[in-house]
Amino acid sequence: EADIYQTPRYLVIGTGKKITLECSQTMGHDKMYWYQQDPGMELHLIHYSYGVNSTEKGDLSSESTVSRIRTEHFPLTLESARPSHTSQYLCASSDGLGRAFFGQGTRLTVV
Amino acid sequence: GQQVMQIPQYQHVQEGEDFTTYCNSSTTLSNIQWYKQRPGGHPVFLIQLVKSGEVKKQKRLTFQFGEAKKNSSLHITATQTTDVGTYFCAGPGGYGNKLVFGAGTILRVKS
Repeated sequence: EADIYQTPRYLVIGTGKKITLECSQTMGHDKMYWYQQDPGMELHLIHYSYGVNSTEKGDLSSESTVSRIRTEHFPLTLESARPSHTSQYLCASSDGLGRAFFGQGTRLTVV
Repeated sequence: GQQVMQIPQYQHVQEGEDFTTYCNSSTTLSNIQWYKQRPGGHPVFLIQLVKSGEVKKQKRLTFQFGEAKKNSSLHITATQTTDVGTYFCAGPGGYGNKLVFGAGTILRVKS
């Protein structure tokens, strides 16, 4: 099993709060991704990174931001959480062959 | 941009019946990957196909990559309750060869 970690696993937070979802991988992968997924639904790419200091917005518009200061760390930040942000957020990294490895996800509920 | 389409969206089968999901890309792919996501879990890499016309087997699962490298299929023989989940195909595409996922096929198995 690949070594990619997300914290927290579950988060319930009030509207307007700032939150940061953590994602770390120990495999040295350059490419990392953030996906948003509602239960039973498709994966929506919201951010991706090709390496340190390289980040791009994904196909789904998102009010979140990301940073990639270190290869192993790719945190996602919501400056002001809203109920519409309630979802599961999945972080992934991919190896040289393009195979993706996912973290266990963060289930976010904004009340 | 590149699109990866997957059908059916949902399939409910009796245990012991076969199941197939199909994946079609709008562009030629260098490789196709398949992932499985159990209910409440995260996507897990199953296999990668690279060659035109390639067929690979994993126990009761058979994966095919089309001759034109634009389509793929996953066939499960004699489904079991452990096969329940969502099956995603994915291929590299777009700027920087980021991974593009299909919408997934949800498989439910009646015992």
